[in-house]
Amino acid sequence: QQQVKQSPQSLIVQKGGISIINCAYENTAFDYFPWYQQFPGKGPALLIAIRPDVSEKKEGRFTISFNKSAKQFSLHIMDSQPGDSATYFCAARNSGGSNYKLTFGKGTLLTVNP
Amino acid sequence: DTGVSQDPRHKITKRGQNVTFRCDPISEHNRLYWYRQTLGQGPEFLTYFQNEAQLEKSRLLSNRFSAERPKGSFSTLEIQRTEQGDSAMYLCASSPRGGGSNEQFFGPGTRLTVL
Repeated sequence: QQQVKQSPQSLIVQKGGISIINCAYENTAFDYFPWYQQFPGKGPALLIAIRPDVSEKKEGRFTISFNKSAKQFSLHIMDSQPGDSATYFCAARNSGGSNYKLTFGKGTLLTVNP
Repeated sequence: DTGVSQDPRHKITKRGQNVTFRCDPISEHNRLYWYRQTLGQGPEFLTYFQNEAQLEKSRLLSNRFSAERPKGSFSTLEIQRTEQGDSAMYLCASSPRGGGSNEQFFGPGTRLTVL
């Protein structure tokens, strides 16, 4: 059972364009939704995170949009740069659980062409 | 560097051999996690420690896998009688005590190849 579904699997964007990655979740107990960025050979690094009490969070060129009723959230990367080329994972966590484990989507490989 | 460190970074072994990986979390982080990541997939939770206590194990963690965190500091993950299906990146993460976002900080991972 895949609790967090992520799309698209891969994405190619021109430099300066907008990259959009979508995720949907099933478990209504999830209450923390981070996005991680992973470069080849490295571990995932937290990019930005949101809680369901807000519909949008922006940090620099990165914005999370959250739709609680639809159980969907998305990452928008404005003015995409070649250095943004990486794999992006959405994740979710039930903070009321006993261990704070993260449930990840399958990832989106983003390529930003110069 | 005060980030999460893992050793070794790469391990190649023959099927049937035992392997052990080490994770050193960020100092004073009392929560430690192990995840497994296969090619083209997101990390999958394996097990969780709070201090030295192992509080949860995923069903992915067969009886060939064992993890320890003596004294609540570094952790080891051992795989006995390795199988080709164990080939993956093994990631360790740690997070501080307390509420809030409890961001998990990941190490660089140990890539295991079972021949």
